[in-house]
Amino acid sequence: AQKVTQAQTEISVVEKEDVTLDCVYETRDTTYYLFWYKQPPSGELVFLIRRNSFDEQNEISGRYSWNFQKSTSSFNFTITASQVVDSAVYFCALSVPESNDYKLSFGAGTTVTVRA
Amino acid sequence: DTGVSQDPRHKITKRGQNVTFRCDPISEHNRLYWYRQTLGQGPEFLTYFQNEAQLEKSRLLSDRFSAERPKGSFSTLEIQRTEQGDSAMYLCASGDLDNSPLHFGNGTRLTVT
Repeated sequence: AQKVTQAQTEISVVEKEDVTLDCVYETRDTTYYLFWYKQPPSGELVFLIRRNSFDEQNEISGRYSWNFQKSTSSFNFTITASQVVDSAVYFCALSVPESNDYKLSFGAGTTVTVRA
Repeated sequence: DTGVSQDPRHKITKRGQNVTFRCDPISEHNRLYWYRQTLGQGPEFLTYFQNEAQLEKSRLLSDRFSAERPKGSFSTLEIQRTEQGDSAMYLCASGDLDNSPLHFGNGTRLTVT
């Protein structure tokens, strides 16, 4: 069974501060995919990144960066110089290809509030 | 392409009534998923279609729930004899066969009174 834990329920920061969201996952599969999604107040889940288990290289995309560490089963997400538009719920998710359905198992989400 | 479309956006119904939701996936996507999301939680998997075939159903999907994707295009999710515990956001997502990231719709928010 797959499990994703996002221990931080809510984070509140002032604009321009950095914020790091933690994600810890559990799976017995050696091949798996990790994701981050953003859910703004409109409700639609917006895809941010996908990582496969064989690629531990960290990634940066604009103000977003991701730190994948298999040794600690973590896939953390950092927003640098946060902006009010970053306010949303962020979900970490995991999928495994063994059943060929690629369904996502989500964490409970972290609500980020960026204050002006 | 306008993305994944769900209808209605909101549905308020009385306990015991039946409701049906519709999802129109991105046109070339073969995979279609239904998820349920309650307040303060992440989405939970309900069921999965590959083309018109329903290949997997979660144990969360009681016998009051049924989903169809008759021509491998749009899908419907029906809940019979609704209960207050069915109140949630119902999300639809679609994806390609090659495990590309899922695209989600805006969801249908169901309130059972």
